Amino acid sequence: QKEVEQDPGPLSVPEGAIVSLNCTYSNSAFQYFMWYRQYSRKGPELLMYTYSSGNKEDGRFTAQVDKSSKYISLFIRDSQPSDSATYLCAMGYGGSQGNLIFGKGTKLSVKP
Amino acid sequence: NAGVTQTPKFQVLKTGQSMTLQCAQDMNHNSMYWYRQDPGMGLRLIYYSASEGTTDKGEVPNGYNVSRLNKREFSLRLESAAPSQTSVYFCASSAGQDFGYTFGSGTRLTVV
Repeated sequence: QKEVEQDPGPLSVPEGAIVSLNCTYSNSAFQYFMWYRQYSRKGPELLMYTYSSGNKEDGRFTAQVDKSSKYISLFIRDSQPSDSATYLCAMGYGGSQGNLIFGKGTKLSVKP
Repeated sequence: NAGVTQTPKFQVLKTGQSMTLQCAQDMNHNSMYWYRQDPGMGLRLIYYSASEGTTDKGEVPNGYNVSRLNKREFSLRLESAAPSQTSVYFCASSAGQDFGYTFGSGTRLTVV
């Protein structure tokens, strides 16, 4: 079992839809969780960062972490064509205990 | 503020040729990383440098060498390029292993 699993999609939604992107993980030692957005032919950029279980909101984006279920989600409200990108989850152990572990990414397309 | 700068952006090599990918960051970050990204494989860590003066192997180090020239610069060298090294290479940096990564825009390398 891989440490981080992410459905590769592709996921296609109409403009204005609520999008749910998900990752599961196997190692309960992960302490912090991130979401990156990668536009085509660009490098990933950090979108959301959280340490704890629960929800963190930033504009139209909400990151949700459920440590008991080893499951994280990114919700995008009122999705826009400009949200079309690949979204990668990433997780870290904290301290000096290794580097981030990335999911393989979910490709999202928001149709006008 | 440039962030992470990678050169070149594109390169075509013949099998057996060598080349160095350059990466520089201007954020005074301690840690730097080299990843390759292939379709269906996600981001795979090649080498990283947790701090100036140290380098360590990642998941896929074979065929590569790195040099942390100073705090700003981290180069990746292919001594004898192989077609299997055709990929998009990303350099990233972070303030430390607990922090999010800032990625460069990538180098698209084709080995023929």
